[in-house]
Amino acid sequence: AQTVTQSQPEMSVQEAETVTLSCTYDTSESDYYLFWYKQPPSRQMILVIRQEAYKQQNATENRFSVNFQKAAKSFSLKISDSQLGDAAMYFCAYRRGIQGAQKLVFGQGTRLTINP
Amino acid sequence: ETGVTQSPTHLIKTRGQQVTLRCSSQSGHNTVSWYQQALGQGPQFIFQYYREEENGRGNFPPRFSGLQFPNYSSELNVNALELDDSALYLCASSLLGSGNTIYFGEGSWLTVV
Repeated sequence: AQTVTQSQPEMSVQEAETVTLSCTYDTSESDYYLFWYKQPPSRQMILVIRQEAYKQQNATENRFSVNFQKAAKSFSLKISDSQLGDAAMYFCAYRRGIQGAQKLVFGQGTRLTINP
Repeated sequence: ETGVTQSPTHLIKTRGQQVTLRCSSQSGHNTVSWYQQALGQGPQFIFQYYREEENGRGNFPPRFSGLQFPNYSSELNVNALELDDSALYLCASSLLGSGNTIYFGEGSWLTVV
């Protein structure tokens, strides 16, 4: 069974600075997807960024980027120029790459606080 | 805005009762899945429906059941409620396909007393 681990229950950063959230996962499969979701107090899961395991290039979405280390099964999220609106719970998630596999396996989450 | 809406937003039930939670998916999304998120935890996959049939299930007992309708709406039913069923229940929809984005609703908070 696949597992996802986030070892940082809470992180804080000064506004405009950079913060990195850690995630490790365990799987025996070679084809899969990894995601970072943001869950603000409104509770809605919002997709931040995704990474296909077959791609060597790290995904980037504006101020958000990942460091995908496939051999180490590590998938960290870097947020640059942190903004107050980035404050939320962040969840790392895994999904198998086979057709029909819609199940997401989530980590425990990291609560990110932005200090003004 | 993900186009996935859930109702009710909050509800309180008594242990032993039954509850139905509803979800309206994005138009055209043929796959819906449900997740249970206990306080302070990550979401746990309950099950998935594709074209009105269950085609994947997590580690949840049979008293958790669902329905998916042709009009892109779906239901999660929980019978014989237990105190541990208190959680946020999230609905997610997508087109079937390993690369397709999964969109979430805002969830329904269930409290069992």
